[in-house]
Amino acid sequence: DTAVSQTPKYLVTQMGNDKSIKCEQNLGHDTMYWYKQDSKKFLKIMFSYNNKELIINETVPNRFSPKSPDKAHLNLHINSLELGDSAVYFCASSQSRDWGELFFGEGSRLTVL
Amino acid sequence: DQQVKQNSPSLSVQEGRISILNCDYTNSMFDYFLWYKKYPAEGPTFLISISSIKDKNEDGRFTVFLNKSAKHLSLHIVPSQPGDSAVYFCAASKGSSNTGKLIFGQGTTLQVKP
Repeated sequence: DTAVSQTPKYLVTQMGNDKSIKCEQNLGHDTMYWYKQDSKKFLKIMFSYNNKELIINETVPNRFSPKSPDKAHLNLHINSLELGDSAVYFCASSQSRDWGELFFGEGSRLTVL
Repeated sequence: DQQVKQNSPSLSVQEGRISILNCDYTNSMFDYFLWYKKYPAEGPTFLISISSIKDKNEDGRFTVFLNKSAKHLSLHIVPSQPGDSAVYFCAASKGSSNTGKLIFGQGTTLQVKP
């Protein structure tokens, strides 16, 4: 019974396409996040939602749009994909916005050709 | 500008010996530090944390030490086991307004040889 699950795990697509990655957590947590692991292996935060409200929005291109239909789900939609978007995207959740321990999903590896 | 750095990309130790993983940070506003462990094709999992009001936190075989004056923390694993072989990420955050916004280092790959 996976606590934080992401789909798809692997995604290969052409430049210019639009794609979405879905994330669900069954931990009852209030806060969810998207992190990106780039080619240099750094994990960097992109967005955070607390009870469906956007609370962290790092300097991310407008082509990236998160959507949280409820506090158990946080999806990431990417428009007009570029080569530089190739990375592993991790969804995570935490009990609250004041709780530093994050629970991560397995990651979604996006490859843009 | 990387605020959290793990300068050793890899470390190899013998089973039963001590593993010491190091992490340096530049932002003196960081007040909460965490270590995460990551196996291939899995997400990072929380290992241990320390608040800036402490200089040591221990959990079983894992101990984290914090030296605020040097802006340095380390993770000690004693004794090391083959199952500890993984990538270890150091992370930091500053203040409750940014909690959850973790700044990660680039990771150190630990290999424990039987």
